[in-house]
Amino acid sequence: SQQGEEDPQALSIQEGENATMNCSYKTSINNLQWYRQNSGRGLVHLILIRSNEREKHSGRLRVTLDTSKKSSSLLITASRAADTASYFCATPQGGSEKLVFGKGTKLTVNP
Amino acid sequence: EAGVVQSPRYKIIEKKQPVAFWCNPISGHNTLYWYRQNLGQGPELLIRYENEEAVDDSQLPKDRFSAERLKGVDSTLKIQPAELGDSAVYLCASSSYFVSPDTQYFGPGTRLTVL
Repeated sequence: SQQGEEDPQALSIQEGENATMNCSYKTSINNLQWYRQNSGRGLVHLILIRSNEREKHSGRLRVTLDTSKKSSSLLITASRAADTASYFCATPQGGSEKLVFGKGTKLTVNP
Repeated sequence: EAGVVQSPRYKIIEKKQPVAFWCNPISGHNTLYWYRQNLGQGPELLIRYENEEAVDDSQLPKDRFSAERLKGVDSTLKIQPAELGDSAVYLCASSSYFVSPDTQYFGPGTRLTVL
């Protein structure tokens, strides 16, 4: 079963624009993670935000977490063609190390 | 630091044939995961190892899938016999309880096509 649900399913923007992806989840969590997957490659861990954090930054990435709404957003600023990939949110299930992934948002950044 | 290594990268077989995937995790990582990722979906956990012990195999179809992690390092995932619905990307990941237990490091995956 999938815990996280990303929105939108697909997003196409121009280089230099910002990209925002959202994730909603169903049960209480202690952290939420975002991963990136380039075509034909494995997943790369981008950022982890804990349930007691509201916002976190890493380079051009900004992640927010609203536990009351059970939602998170990933903002990529000043996007580049190399940011073209699928982005997944993942949450631990039942407090365990088992990560449950959403279906992902496919981001295309046009040069 | 070398990442998670998987082989083969691609495999095409006919249904009912056996197939095996190999994974070498990051050195020192005690936890190893096998995921299956269907087209257009996120990865779904098949089995998780803590050292050589399988601690979560609830999603592993045990009638045809088997896995092992000898000596708590490399791991092999096997399907016998393969079915058409097994076509997917099989991902291996590892993590270290002592360094960052919440972060999983993924290999490039094995893309399986069953004809």
